Amino acid sequence: AQSVTQPDIHITVSEGASLELRCNYSYGATPYLFWYVQSPGQGLQLLLKYFSGDTLVQGIKGFEAEFKRSQSSFNLRKPSVHWSDAAEYFCAVGYSGGGADGLTFGKGTHLIIQP
Amino acid sequence: ETGVTQTPRHLVMGMTNKKSLKCEQHLGHNAMYWYKQSAKKPLELMFVYNFKEQTENNSVPSRFSPECPNSSHLFLHLHTLQPEDSALYLCASSQDVFPSYEQYFGPGTRLTVT
Repeated sequence: AQSVTQPDIHITVSEGASLELRCNYSYGATPYLFWYVQSPGQGLQLLLKYFSGDTLVQGIKGFEAEFKRSQSSFNLRKPSVHWSDAAEYFCAVGYSGGGADGLTFGKGTHLIIQP
Repeated sequence: ETGVTQTPRHLVMGMTNKKSLKCEQHLGHNAMYWYKQSAKKPLELMFVYNFKEQTENNSVPSRFSPECPNSSHLFLHLHTLQPEDSALYLCASSQDVFPSYEQYFGPGTRLTVT
């Protein structure tokens, strides 16, 4: 069964500093990988996704993520965070091939931005 | 209205009550999903509908009963719930069920079972 690990429950970053959120997945074939963001009281919004091709993908709000097959990782990065980036971030994995049609999510990383 | 809407946004119910959650999507999508989001736990997929047909039921207790009358509407009927069912219930939709299609989420219904 597929699984997703986000090892950091909380991360605190100063405004203007760079950010990297970690995500590791467990699945044999090439997965479909996603990063979502959830602001308080809101649903999840897709930041970016990876299916194939260039392993560095660009998303909305200045985020990017890099797929590294050898490390089974899909880490999310931003060169300079803004106070509005404070939110919960979820990594998710899906695959095609019949059966389960939904995504498997990690437990999330809570991002705190300090002035 | 645009996107995915959910009503009510907040619900408090006793263990003997019967209530329903409603989800509506205005995106012309064919697939709809119910997820449960509990504190300290990953989002749990509950049900998946594709073209109004249920394609997934992740061992959800029978006290949760989904209904999908058409591709735009999805309901979750609740009865005799337990306190551990308190959570944020999220609805999502996508063009189709394949993971290559982005899922669009509603804001959720915060459910408290007393």
